[in-house]
Amino acid sequence: KQEVTQIPAALSVPEGENLVLNCSFTDSAIYNLQWFRQDPGKGLTSLLLIQSSQREQTSGRLNASLDKSSGRSTLYIAASQPGDSATYLCASPGEAGNMLTFGGGTRLMVKP
Amino acid sequence: NAGVTQTPKFQVLKTGQSMTLQCAQDMNHEYMSWYRQDPGMGLRLIHYSVGAGITDQGEVPNGYNVSRSTTEDFPLRLLSAAPSQTSVYFCASTFQGSVGYTFGSGTRLTVV
Repeated sequence: KQEVTQIPAALSVPEGENLVLNCSFTDSAIYNLQWFRQDPGKGLTSLLLIQSSQREQTSGRLNASLDKSSGRSTLYIAASQPGDSATYLCASPGEAGNMLTFGGGTRLMVKP
Repeated sequence: NAGVTQTPKFQVLKTGQSMTLQCAQDMNHEYMSWYRQDPGMGLRLIHYSVGAGITDQGEVPNGYNVSRSTTEDFPLRLLSAAPSQTSVYFCASTFQGSVGYTFGSGTRLTVV
């Protein structure tokens, strides 16, 4: 059974810093890995998805990498802004790709 | 707009009452699933469906029923609500070989 862990659980940084959020998974035979953003009291917004055959994906100031051999994915946020403050979740589906297992999330606060 | 629509957004129930949380998607996705999100517990899978007429249990199915009579709809039924079912419920959908999951905006349920 896939287990997904995110460290740290919370992170506070000053505006402008580059930062890395970590996601670890136990089963390296993953189908893909998806990063989500969740604002307080809101739903999940998909940020990036990395297929198992890919090493990284980029969208604007966000870059996600995947290393299956080490069971890790990282989400890199460049030049952080207060608007980036949210909880970031990573998730990986089961073998058939139809059920997501989530990490506990990293709650990010970017201070002006 | 294409996406996953959940209704209602908020609901308060008394212990023992029944209700149905609605979920509909217009993307012709085969896979649909229900998650609940609780503080300190993260997002956990309740039930999922890989197509019309096919459903299966997730990690925390007790107290919930589902059915999938059409591709578009995947309602979640609480037959006799309990305070332990106070949570935020998210519906999600995807398709085989997908580019990731799409989530609804959630239903915040309080059972008193």
